[in-house]
Amino acid sequence: DIVMTQTPLSLSVTPGQPASISCKSSQSLLHSDGKTYLYWYLQKPGQSPQLLIYEVSNRFSGVPDRFSGSGSGTDFTLKISRVEAEDVGVYYCMQSIQLPYSFGQGTKLEIK
Amino acid sequence: EVQLVESGGGLVQPGRSLRLSCAASGFTFDDYAMHWVRQAPGKGLEWVSGISWNSGSIGYADSVKGRFTISRDNAKNSLYLQMNSLRAEDMALYYCAKAEGYDILTGGALQHWGQGTLVTVSS
Repeated sequence: DIVMTQTPLSLSVTPGQPASISCKSSQSLLHSDGKTYLYWYLQKPGQSPQLLIYEVSNRFSGVPDRFSGSGSGTDFTLKISRVEAEDVGVYYCMQSIQLPYSFGQGTKLEIK
Repeated sequence: EVQLVESGGGLVQPGRSLRLSCAASGFTFDDYAMHWVRQAPGKGLEWVSGISWNSGSIGYADSVKGRFTISRDNAKNSLYLQMNSLRAEDMALYYCAKAEGYDILTGGALQHWGQGTLVTVSS
């Protein structure tokens, strides 16, 4: 099974400052079809998870452009260029290249 | 607008069974794979099971294999999770999620999620 490891597990950021979350997979998420099956989700307090980024770097519909994703193979990063109050919650990476799908442990973002 | 509404959760004794349902609307249900993901109280997300558009591909987490059965009824736009031999560690909020594509193998994103239904396992 693929293990997803996120760092840090918590983050406290001043509004307007950047934030970065790392996600590492135990196996490459690059498939022979050319796609990399790495996704980022945000679970705001009391809400269901929502898709932010698909295939490493593509923003899902309605996601602000302050969110960006990068990486390849086994190392990935989610960046928020300027954190806003509405960005609080827990961020998860997820892989779907192989069953069982797996999530990182989550990174809790709070505002200073 | 995609809507996923889970139901069927509740309080159940260890060893008993429960069947969860997910009613889907706002998209062509039989074009997409569907999944169940759970979240134990205060914990992270755990993928539970997935089913392809035509039920031809099905997968389970090791933690539920042999006890849980996923199914779908495309005529009713509904997804199900039959949970047998429930354990304390199965207690969680269970989310239904719509996949990006039709299969669960290299399945893409879980694009849309319901609000979840809570399963409590306790004597």
